[in-house]
Amino acid sequence: GNSVTQMEGPVTLSEEAFLTINCTYTATGYPSLFWYVQYPGEGLQLLLKATKADDKGSNKGFEATYRKETTSFHLEKGSVQVSDSAVYFCALSDPNSGYSTLTFGKGTMLLVSP
Amino acid sequence: DAGVTQSPTHLIKTRGQQVTLRCSPKSGHDTVSWYQQALGQGPQFIFQYYEEEERQRGNFPDRFSGHQFPNYSSELNVNALLLGDSALYLCASSRTQSGNTIYFGEGSWLTVV
Repeated sequence: GNSVTQMEGPVTLSEEAFLTINCTYTATGYPSLFWYVQYPGEGLQLLLKATKADDKGSNKGFEATYRKETTSFHLEKGSVQVSDSAVYFCALSDPNSGYSTLTFGKGTMLLVSP
Repeated sequence: DAGVTQSPTHLIKTRGQQVTLRCSPKSGHDTVSWYQQALGQGPQFIFQYYEEEERQRGNFPDRFSGHQFPNYSSELNVNALLLGDSALYLCASSRTQSGNTIYFGEGSWLTVV
């Protein structure tokens, strides 16, 4: 079956530091890949997505590249801000299922200090 | 344009009771999915509704059931509540074509005591 593995958190950084959150996946087909962000007490917001190999998703300074050869979709940001503190979820959607359902990782908490 | 809206925001129930959670999808969306997010975990897919039918189901017992109405809104029902059902329940909506972006609501926090 499909699965997503994320690095365990929390990840603790100082403001303006470089961020990497690792994500690898297992899927039977060619999934679409997503990063969602969850701020404290809120639901999930789509951060970025990539639908095929070598695609790069980007939004709000965050980037992730769909690497089929390493089955990875690592999230990066060059300079984090305190406001980026949240939980980040990597997820995949398997087109073989024909429907838009998501398989999530366990999430990685990011804490950014001033 | 309102996004996905859910109600209630928070609720507390006793073991053995039943609960109903409600969701209105984003305008133009016809597919509604429900997810359970336990504390410190990623969301787990419960089921998906399209054209008022359950189209796909995750690994959840029959105590979890749902409904979709003609206006595409949806309900999640959980019977015989267990302490382990305490979680954030997220509703997600999308258009039926594969590949369309999935939008989530703020969720309903359920505590079972």
